[in-house]
Amino acid sequence: AQSVTQLGSHVSVSEGALVLLRCNYSSSVPPYLFWYVQYPNQGLQLLLKYTSAATLVKGINGFEAEFKKSETSFHLTKPSAHMSDAAEYFCAVSGGGSEKLVFGKGTKLTVNP
Amino acid sequence: EPEVTQTPSHQVTQMGQEVILRCVPISNHLYFYWYRQILGQKVEFLVSFYNNEISEKSEIFDDQFSVERPDGSNFTLKIRSTKLEDSAMYFCASSVGTGVETQYFGPGTRLLVL
Repeated sequence: AQSVTQLGSHVSVSEGALVLLRCNYSSSVPPYLFWYVQYPNQGLQLLLKYTSAATLVKGINGFEAEFKKSETSFHLTKPSAHMSDAAEYFCAVSGGGSEKLVFGKGTKLTVNP
Repeated sequence: EPEVTQTPSHQVTQMGQEVILRCVPISNHLYFYWYRQILGQKVEFLVSFYNNEISEKSEIFDDQFSVERPDGSNFTLKIRSTKLEDSAMYFCASSVGTGVETQYFGPGTRLLVL
């Protein structure tokens, strides 16, 4: 079975600081990995996804994530946080012929001025 | 940009009542999904639907739940006899394919069962 663990349910950073949101996955098959963002009162929006083409994946809004098989990790980073980045971020895994996404619990990012 | 829409945005119902949650997927998508998120918990997969039939479902998706694509545009989730524990945010999603293909999510319907 596949699973995702997101360390830290809440992360707080200052505007302009590095954003690092952690995601570790468990999968018995080569995974597809996704980061979604949810702004208040909106649906889940795809930030980026890993499809095995490249280990460093660039997404929208300046976010990127690196797939590290040896660490079973897919951490999300952004060099400089903006106030508009405040949202909840979800890591998800799929693969192995299953159609479903398996989500982590989410990390709520707060950006302080 | 095309988007998935869901109605209603909020629904309050009494325990034991039937509810129907509605979704309009993106028009050229072929796979449709329902997920739910109980407050404070993970987003959980309920069911996927392809070619007018359920293609995968979770243990949560028991006989109280059903899905339907009644016409060419709508995709519905019916809960026959709601329970208190069905209170959650329900998300509809759609995609052109599976695996690496992106699932596009709607804004959700918040269901409260009293």
